[in-house]
Amino acid sequence: EAAVTQSPRNKVTVTGGNVTLSCRQTNSHNYMYWYRQDTGHGLRLIHYSYGAGNLQIGDVPDGYKATRTTQEDFFLLLELASPSQTSLYFCASSVDRGRNTEVFFGKGTRLTVV
Amino acid sequence: GEQVEQRPPHLSVREGDSAVIICTYTDPNSYYFFWYKQEPGAGLQLLMKVFSSTEINEGQGFTVLLNKKDKQLSLNLTAAHPGDSAVYFCAVRVITGNTGKLIFGLGTTLQVQP
Repeated sequence: EAAVTQSPRNKVTVTGGNVTLSCRQTNSHNYMYWYRQDTGHGLRLIHYSYGAGNLQIGDVPDGYKATRTTQEDFFLLLELASPSQTSLYFCASSVDRGRNTEVFFGKGTRLTVV
Repeated sequence: GEQVEQRPPHLSVREGDSAVIICTYTDPNSYYFFWYKQEPGAGLQLLMKVFSSTEINEGQGFTVLLNKKDKQLSLNLTAAHPGDSAVYFCAVRVITGNTGKLIFGLGTTLQVQP
């Protein structure tokens, strides 16, 4: 069964804090993505990767780092968290297979920076 | 970069009415197209994916039309019911060279009144 697992599901941190969001997929997909979802902005792409060790910059990368350690694991790092990074974060994985192209999402991580 | 315009941002219909959501994209390297439904507090549920240059796909209570010539994707709920109330997102997979991004529209909040 397709799976994208995010952890933690909820996180509260203080301004200036260090946060790591984790994502693991067991779909054998090559692509993985991190999005943030905010009211009025939809889902915005932060970073993505097409394989272990690869990193591509998304549309809203400022203040975020990411690392793809393995095919399965993609991490989002906030090294100096700010209140503007309070958001709902989604991880996704995908593979391009023509009509069998797949995209799966995790259940989201709600991050609050106080 | 790629822009995906989704309209309307809000839509209110009565039970049994039809509801149409339209997305327009710009990048000619757009190959795969998706519609997602997000209920309050939940993740993203895939409704339909389409690929062909001109394609009509029918799901349970809805129809998706892709028109690559006009770079337009639409979702038509044929007889809406209160359970359809949710936020709907279109997403476009853009592939350039050996990398690809998944870009979302801003979403449409659909309210179906009994």
